[in-house]
Amino acid sequence: GQSLEQPSEVTAVEGAIVQINCTYQTSGFYGLSWYQQHDGGAPTFLSYNALDGLEETGRFSSFLSRSDSYGYLLLQELQMKDSASYFCAVRDRGSGNTGKLIFGQGTTLQVKP
Amino acid sequence: SAVISQKPSRDICQRGTSLTIQCQVDSQVTMMFWYRQQPGQSLTLIATANQGSEATYESGFVIDKFPISRPNLTFSTLTVSNMSPEDSSIYLCSVETEGEQYFGPGTRLTVT
Repeated sequence: GQSLEQPSEVTAVEGAIVQINCTYQTSGFYGLSWYQQHDGGAPTFLSYNALDGLEETGRFSSFLSRSDSYGYLLLQELQMKDSASYFCAVRDRGSGNTGKLIFGQGTTLQVKP
Repeated sequence: SAVISQKPSRDICQRGTSLTIQCQVDSQVTMMFWYRQQPGQSLTLIATANQGSEATYESGFVIDKFPISRPNLTFSTLTVSNMSPEDSSIYLCSVETEGEQYFGPGTRLTVT
């Protein structure tokens, strides 16, 4: 079966850097995605890694190591508005690139002044 | 990108009744996905809906409980049937386009 593990909660202060880790076990692997969800809102896409390495998008970066079945989301220059839940997700092997995603349990990030 | 709307945004329903949730996308997409997110939990895929064919349900979800329609490439409905308090959740539809997955705003369902 498939499973993803990420920390349940992370707390950091404004301006700091925080890393949210995700390890996964899947029968097949097509890529690791990250989503942000504010309380009461819809998940919004942040990043996608299909190959090993670091992808940078503004203050957010995402890393993938396929050999280690591991990835992380790095948030820099934290702002209060970054307080949200962050989910890692993998594509299911049977679906290829059809969009079926398996989500981790989510990490609640609390940014303090 | 894709803009997705859902109706209703929230509802409070009585046990034993059914609710149909509508999902509208601003562009044509092959597949639409229905997810459930229970309070404080992650997203769980209910089913994948293709236009012109029956939906494909994930383990633990059945068509009698969650019938889905997909009459065209921009619209889908999910019905939550014979509701119980355990069905209280946020229901989200999503689509993938240009390699990214987009979610609707969700329907917050409370069953009393």
